[in-house]
Amino acid sequence: GENVEQHPSTLSVQEGDSAVIKCTYSDSASNYFPWYKQELGKGPQLIIDIRSNVGEKKDQRIAVTLNKTAKHFSLHITETQPEDSAVYFCAASRSNDYKLSFGAGTTVTVRA
Amino acid sequence: DAGITQSPRHKVTETGTPVTLRCHQTENHRYMYWYRQDPGHGLRLIHYSYGVKDTDKGEVSDGYSVSRSKTEDFLLTLESATSSQTSVYFCAISDASGRGQETQYFGPGTRLLVL
Repeated sequence: GENVEQHPSTLSVQEGDSAVIKCTYSDSASNYFPWYKQELGKGPQLIIDIRSNVGEKKDQRIAVTLNKTAKHFSLHITETQPEDSAVYFCAASRSNDYKLSFGAGTTVTVRA
Repeated sequence: DAGITQSPRHKVTETGTPVTLRCHQTENHRYMYWYRQDPGHGLRLIHYSYGVKDTDKGEVSDGYSVSRSKTEDFLLTLESATSSQTSVYFCAISDASGRGQETQYFGPGTRLLVL
C-alpha cells in the first residue's frame, strides 16, 4: 500500500516568514495530493490539493508543488500569520480510489 | 464541517463495554469513512462505505464494525472496547461529483477514552 512520510514533525517560524512542509510517497500510481489543516479540537479541513497533471498550484498565501519523478510534494505558506498555527497533514491517493494515506502531521507554530 | 455531525463528541467508557459512534451528513454524499487519529500516526482508515449497506475494511479494522442503513448515517461500533481504542475518531465524506470522490471532508471528531 501507499506510505506517506512527512517532515518536519514540528516547525516554528517567526510571523511574516515562510513555512515549508515536505512529503514523500511510495506508490507511483498516486496522483491526488491534498493538504489538510487541523486546528485544536477540530476536524481536518482541506486547504489545497493538487493532481499529477499539475506541477504547482497557488491559493493566496498557500502553494503546493509536486515532483512526480522524485515522488515528493511540498506545502509552502508565505507571510505566515498567527492564525496559521495548526497541525498540517499531507495525503496521497490514486484517482477514483476511496483511500487516502496520510502523513503523520506537522505542528506549525507562528511566533508573534 | 461540510454538513457533518458526529455524536457523541466526547465519551468515557470502561474496558469490555460496547460503544457506538454516529456520523450524520446532510450533503447526500455517497462515500463515508471512519478514521482514528493518534499521536505520531496521522489519520488511519478504519472502515469505509461506498453506498447504503456497502462497506469495506480499512487498514486498522480489527475490533471495529460498521453499518450504513441510510445514506446520511454511518455507525462505528466497538464490540468490546479496549484501552488501545482510546483515540479521536473522525468521520469523513466524499462524492464522485464536484471535486471527485477522493476529496474528503471531515467531521468535528469524537474523543473516546476507554478506562
